[in-house]
Amino acid sequence: KQEVTQIPAALSVPEGENLVLNCSFTDSAIYNLQWFRQDPGKGLTSLLLIQSSQREQTSGRLNASLDKSSGRSTLYIAASQPGDSATYLCAVMLRFGAGTRLTVKP
Amino acid sequence: EAGVAQSPRYKIIEKRQSVAFWCNPISGHATLYWYQQILGQGPKLLIQFQNNGVVDDSQLPKDRFSAERLKGVDSTLKIQPAKLEDSAVYLCASSFADLRGSAGELFFGEGSRLTVL
Repeated sequence: KQEVTQIPAALSVPEGENLVLNCSFTDSAIYNLQWFRQDPGKGLTSLLLIQSSQREQTSGRLNASLDKSSGRSTLYIAASQPGDSATYLCAVMLRFGAGTRLTVKP
Repeated sequence: EAGVAQSPRYKIIEKRQSVAFWCNPISGHATLYWYQQILGQGPKLLIQFQNNGVVDDSQLPKDRFSAERLKGVDSTLKIQPAKLEDSAVYLCASSFADLRGSAGELFFGEGSRLTVL
């Protein structure tokens, strides 16, 4: 059974800082991994989808990497902004981690 | 392109009452999912449909929860009778294909928030 863990559970950084969110999973037999953002009281917004054959995906200030052999993915956010404040979730084989709650302080 | 539609957005009921949630996926998406998200936790998959067939309902509490997708398009999730621990956000998602395909990207609706008193 796939288990997904996200560390840290919460993170607070000053505006402009680069940061990394972590996602680990127990079963490396995956088809893809998807990163989402969730604002309070809202649904999940897809950020990046990485296929199992890919090593990374980029969208604007976001870069997600995937290392299947070690069961890890990272989401890198460059030059963070207050509008990036949200909970970030990763999903692996339809299983979600508990998320990392990010606060970016002006 | 219209996103995943869900209703109602909010529902408050007494325990032992029943409730139903509706979801209309993105047009052309064959796969539909229902998730339960309890406050402070990640979403938990309840049921996955491929067209109008059930692919996975292993985490659905079948003694009180039921779901259907009769015509392979929209879907209804029902809880009867509700318990206090069912208080959560019920999220519907859809994808063009199942996750083995390159189009396995999930798209979510805004969710239906249930409070059981």
